[in-house]
Parts: sequence; C-alpha cells; structure tokens
Amino acid sequence: GAVVSQHPSRVICKSGTSVKIECRSLDFQATTMFWYRQFPKQSLMLMATSNEGSKATYEQGVEKDKFLINHASLTLSTLTVTSAHPEDSSFYICSARDTGLARDTQYFGPGTRLTVL
Amino acid sequence: QKEVEQNSGPLSVPEGAIASLNCTYSDRGSQSFFWYRQYSGKSPELIMFIYSNGDKEDGRFTAQLNKASQYVSLLIRDSQPSDSATYLCAVIRDDYKLSFGAGTTVTVRA
Repeated sequence: GAVVSQHPSRVICKSGTSVKIECRSLDFQATTMFWYRQFPKQSLMLMATSNEGSKATYEQGVEKDKFLINHASLTLSTLTVTSAHPEDSSFYICSARDTGLARDTQYFGPGTRLTVL
Repeated sequence: QKEVEQNSGPLSVPEGAIASLNCTYSDRGSQSFFWYRQYSGKSPELIMFIYSNGDKEDGRFTAQLNKASQYVSLLIRDSQPSDSATYLCAVIRDDYKLSFGAGTTVTVRA
C-alpha cells in the first residue's frame, strides 16, 4: 500500500512550547490530509481536514489557533501544537487521501506521540 | 443511529480458527468500505478495501460486502497470534472523511 510518514515519531516538550509535526505522502500526491488525535484506549478523533493550497477545516470543538495546520505542497502537511499543555499529550496521527486509484483510499501515518511535561 | 456499527467485542478465537467481524452502515449511498487493523500503541493500517458487492480475498483475509443489507464483514482465516489487534470498519462519507466503527478487539489464543 501507499506510504505515509510522520516526523517526529515521539516528542517530549515543556509546557508552553510549540511542537510541529510533519506528515508526508511518500509515493502519491495528497491534496487532502486529515489529522486525528487518539487518547489511550479511546477511538480516533478527527481534528481537522488539511487541504493543499487552502485553509484547513476544523471539527467542532477543535481550536484552530491552537492547532495550526499548513498544507504547503501536495505531499506535506504540518500540524503545529502551539503553547502545548499537559492535556495536549496524546497520539497524533495523520492520514492522506489517495485519489490516484479507481476509488478514494486513505492511508495513515505511523503517528506522533506527544508528551507535554 | 451511528453511521457505522461493529459487533461488540472483544472477540477471542483459538489459533488456526476463523475470526469473523461484522459491520453495518447507515448511509445507503456509501460506496467505499475499509478495514483497518490497529495494534496497541500504533496507528491504523489499511488491510482491505472493498467497493463492489460480493467477496474480496487477500491472503488470509476476506472482505464481504452486501449493499442491499448495508453490511460489510471481514473474515480472518487460520488466525495467528499476530492477528491480535483492534479492527476498525470504516466508510468514506461524501466529504471524504472516514466514519469509523468503534472497533472490535480480537485476541488469538495460542
């Protein structure tokens, strides 16, 4: 299947700092990527839809000024958690939409585990 | 009614047996259906997609789709301990977002 990478895989930061997470589609172009968050033993929660060349759209209850998304190219979307706090500690996962096949398919990156001290 | 519902788990099967996972969806217009596997602490991995009524086989996995009944299933034959994971049924919505079921946790007993 298609490959989606994320960087970093794990990050530990102090409260109040900002953290940037990159999501790349390695062998296909993705005009749309999605950002999810998952707390332990809970379901994936969609945070936002990242669209290449336009503003991201956020799910209800997700603060757009706290979770900045930039989709500057067809293979890269970034999520910046600004002024991170301990409650932002979670597993952040991106997915990329592959429209090169006969039907839409989405592939997930390996995730980034964020720990805010 | 939830958009996607999966049979409640957890599901425990002995090694070598067939694990059967079921999923129903509410939007009759849905066209694309996916099964993802998620190991504990890892991200979901796409293992099967199916678009047409009938069966689709890939190795030990078989996906079955019945659009009239709004039902999709996944069979895992010759289950192995490495198949122990949470399996997520997903449907693509008109806005290209995925609707997930709650997941079924499968444990394969050696």
